[in-house]
Amino acid sequence: EVQVVESGGGLVQQGGSLRLSCAASGLTFSRYWMHWVRQAPGKGLVWVSRINSDGRSTNYADSVKGRFTFSRDNAKNTVYLQMNSLRAEDTAVYYCAAGGNSEIDYWGQGTLVTVSS
Amino acid sequence: NFMLTQPHSVSESPGKTVTISCTRSSGSIVSNYVQWYQQRPGSSPTTVIYEDNQRPSGVPDRFSGSIDSSSNSASLTISGLKTEDEADYYCQSYDSSNPWVFGGGTKLTVL
Repeated sequence: EVQVVESGGGLVQQGGSLRLSCAASGLTFSRYWMHWVRQAPGKGLVWVSRINSDGRSTNYADSVKGRFTFSRDNAKNTVYLQMNSLRAEDTAVYYCAAGGNSEIDYWGQGTLVTVSS
Repeated sequence: NFMLTQPHSVSESPGKTVTISCTRSSGSIVSNYVQWYQQRPGSSPTTVIYEDNQRPSGVPDRFSGSIDSSSNSASLTISGLKTEDEADYYCQSYDSSNPWVFGGGTKLTVL
């Protein structure tokens, strides 16, 4: 059974930093692109970032470019989202997901990030 | 940047068929695959359609996807509606300038 499990969410002050982790199991991790998608309370899904299977290529939404960094460790089947200069509008549930460059196959349960002003 | 526009909500009765549209604002809908995700209340999203019309294993064949180049839109059709289909549905696509774009989501009510 494939599992995608996020961790690291919590309450942080505006301007602060947080690092999310996401561990995947039950799949050949090194073959999958990984994604972060977020959902503000009561709102829709918003794509945040993706990383290719070997970690050499990343893309970011304009809203987080320059503030967020997506990385992966294939030896640990884990990805990381380093979030700096956090803003109130970054408050959301952050979903980690595994798939290809154009689709998601497996979603995590999400981790809540709350940025207080 | 392109946008994907979905109706805010749709409703239909159990056993009926409903179609949810997803219209691309610029660029051709046929140029890049469209995916559909289902999100039941309080749950994570799941994939119900990928690559325009492919169903992941475990998704019933009551779910189907299609593309219409004339309206530059994609559609998700759910037949034989069940109360368990009540959820939010999101379309998603991409292009070279915008790695990923989600539609705003459609709330399906089965009443």
